Amino acid sequence: VLTQSPDTLSVSPGESATLSCRTSESVGDNLAWYQQKPGQPPRLLIHGTSTRATGIPARFSGSGSGTEFTLSISSLQSDDFAVYYCQHYNNWPPWTFGQGTRVEIK
Amino acid sequence: QVQLQESGPGLVKPSETLSLSCTVSGGPISGHYWNWIRQSPGKGLEWIGYIYYDGNTKYNPSLVGRVTLSIDSSKNQVSLNLGSVIAADTAVYYCARGWAFDPWGQGILVTVSS
Repeated sequence: VLTQSPDTLSVSPGESATLSCRTSESVGDNLAWYQQKPGQPPRLLIHGTSTRATGIPARFSGSGSGTEFTLSISSLQSDDFAVYYCQHYNNWPPWTFGQGTRVEIK
Repeated sequence: QVQLQESGPGLVKPSETLSLSCTVSGGPISGHYWNWIRQSPGKGLEWIGYIYYDGNTKYNPSLVGRVTLSIDSSKNQVSLNLGSVIAADTAVYYCARGWAFDPWGQGILVTVSS
């Protein structure tokens, strides 16, 4: 089970945001983060806990290990307000997603 | 770059079989894992299963017995069959590549209703 916190994060443009993902058992570093906007599929941001996917800006960073993971977004831009999901892909499926964190404009 | 496109009927009757295809363009189907993921309206994401290019499959235990994935390398297509559908199977169905899913198709809304 993946539990994300908070459910909703209100942030002003230009500020930073920190999103958390806790797993019920260790997933090593096999954790990914996605961004989803309305009417669009999720977009891969981070894989392997901390590796940015191709084309993802450096203001997105991931960290953590084992059961505690963090997605940090520095200097939020208007394009960053969206729902963010974590997902594990450790060893044996089923692979699961967190319930999502909505980042909204304060 | 690699692009994925889901296709199939948007409406399926209860108890029937939902059948979707995912066409891969811009890259080979070989050497990769191909996944199906769904998202119920207003809800989160559920991984359905994957098929490797060699035909090896893994399914979500919650769907075992109802789901079958297949692959046609000659057509660069991956297919999903979900049997005995109920209203709770109404969702946007996505295909995606890899274990960290990238890229994704645009998704197709499938409604289960009589």
